[in-house]
Amino acid sequence: SAVISQKPSRDICQRGTSLTIQCQVDSQVTMMFWYRQQPGQSLTLIATANQGSEATYESGFVIDKFPISRPNLTFSTLTVSNMSPEDSSIYLCSVEDEGQGPLEQYFGPGTRLTVT
Amino acid sequence: AQSVTQLDSQVPVFEEAPVELRCNYSSSVSVYLFWYVQYPNQGLQLLLKYLSGSTLVKGINGFEAEFNKSQTSFHLRKPSVHISDTAEYFCAVSVLGGSTLGRLYFGRGTQLTVWP
Repeated sequence: SAVISQKPSRDICQRGTSLTIQCQVDSQVTMMFWYRQQPGQSLTLIATANQGSEATYESGFVIDKFPISRPNLTFSTLTVSNMSPEDSSIYLCSVEDEGQGPLEQYFGPGTRLTVT
Repeated sequence: AQSVTQLDSQVPVFEEAPVELRCNYSSSVSVYLFWYVQYPNQGLQLLLKYLSGSTLVKGINGFEAEFNKSQTSFHLRKPSVHISDTAEYFCAVSVLGGSTLGRLYFGRGTQLTVWP
């Protein structure tokens, strides 16, 4: 199974600033996903990031607020821009490990973001 | 549109007791079904999945789930829980085919707490 790491694991940021979260996978994968888990809420998909193409954003999420990079098949970044306290969440990346069968998604440990 | 409802936000049980975590979904098309577990300060881990075939699916750590198409349910069960099963459990669905292939829709989660 794919092993995923995220940096940073947690951060406390001031409103108005930006934070870039890194997601590294130990194998090459086509599809990577970024999710947000707000306090007491479920996971919500922010965007799908495939290498070599623009990220596809879900309703309610825009590129200006959450720019994503996917420079190769093992790495992606998500930036949370111009942060406000409402952005305080756990951000998780996941990958679809095609070698394990259809729709076998693996998740990183998450980045816990607190905006003050 | 797809939605996932986990009817219980918290389920406390004593060790060695049986447990059932309920999940219902709504979708106008066929879906794949998943249960994920999130241990404290860790990422999500796939417990089991239903893609097709037998409606009773067995997963890791002694968990199993049964797909009931008529009731649009996918309840998770374990006949005898351990303290180490204390975690947050998430039910998720994914739509077959189309542009949203791979996108997971999550329920709000059920916190299972096992007491000695």
